Amino acid sequence: EAQVTQNPRYLITVTGKKLTVTCSQNMNHEYMSWYRQDPGLGLRQIYYSMNVEVTDKGDVPEGYKVSRKEKRNFPLILESPSPNQTSLYFCASTLRGRNTGELFFGEGSRLTVL
Amino acid sequence: AQTVTQSQPEMSVQEAETVTLSCTYDTSESDYYLFWYKQPPSRQMILVIRQEAYKQQNATENRFSVNFQKAAKSFSLKISDSQLGDAAMYFCAYRSGEAGNKLTFGGGTRVLVKP
Repeated sequence: EAQVTQNPRYLITVTGKKLTVTCSQNMNHEYMSWYRQDPGLGLRQIYYSMNVEVTDKGDVPEGYKVSRKEKRNFPLILESPSPNQTSLYFCASTLRGRNTGELFFGEGSRLTVL
Repeated sequence: AQTVTQSQPEMSVQEAETVTLSCTYDTSESDYYLFWYKQPPSRQMILVIRQEAYKQQNATENRFSVNFQKAAKSFSLKISDSQLGDAAMYFCAYRSGEAGNKLTFGGGTRVLVKP
C-alpha cells in the first residue's frame, strides 16, 4: 500500500530535550516536505527536499533541522524544542516537477513541548 | 508570495442540505493548481478535489464541486446533499505550476453537519 509513515504519532516532551520525528514514504517520490498545523493558520511549510541531499527552508524553518540521506526518509529534528513548537506536524511527498500537484500526507504527529 | 484566505472559520449545515465554503487567493502567476483537502477527526489529510488554472471547466467529484473564478481569484467548494461523514476541517490550498511542489494553505473552515 502506498503511504507516508510518520513516527511517533503522539509525543510529549520537555523544553530542550532533542527529538526526531521520522518520515518514510514507499512511493519513490523525489519531493518530500514537512508542515506544521496550528489553529487558524492552516498548514505552513517548515522544510522541503527536492531529492537526496537537497534540502531547503520553507516558511517557518526556525528551530528545526532536516536531512535527506535516503530517498524514502526525511526526518524532522528539533534540537532544542520550545513550547512554541507545540503543534501538529505533517510529512508529505510527491513526484518532483510538473504533475497533478497532489501531495500525499502522513497521518500527522501531535507534539507537545512542556 | 502567494496567500490563501478562508474567511469562514466555521460553517454549519443540516444533513442533506448544501453548504458552500469560500476561498480566495492572491497570486501573480497564470499557471497554478488549487485544491480542497478534508481533515476529519482522524487528522488524515484527504484530497477532495483539484482544479488546474488553465481549465475553464469547474471540477466535480461526486457531491463536491467547485466554483473557480480565475479573474476574481476565488475558489469555493460546494458540498451537496451533506452527510454526517462530511463533518471535518476543510483546507483550501494553492500550488504554483512553475515553482516547485509547495502547497500554500488557507486557515481552514470547520464544517459541522446537523442530523
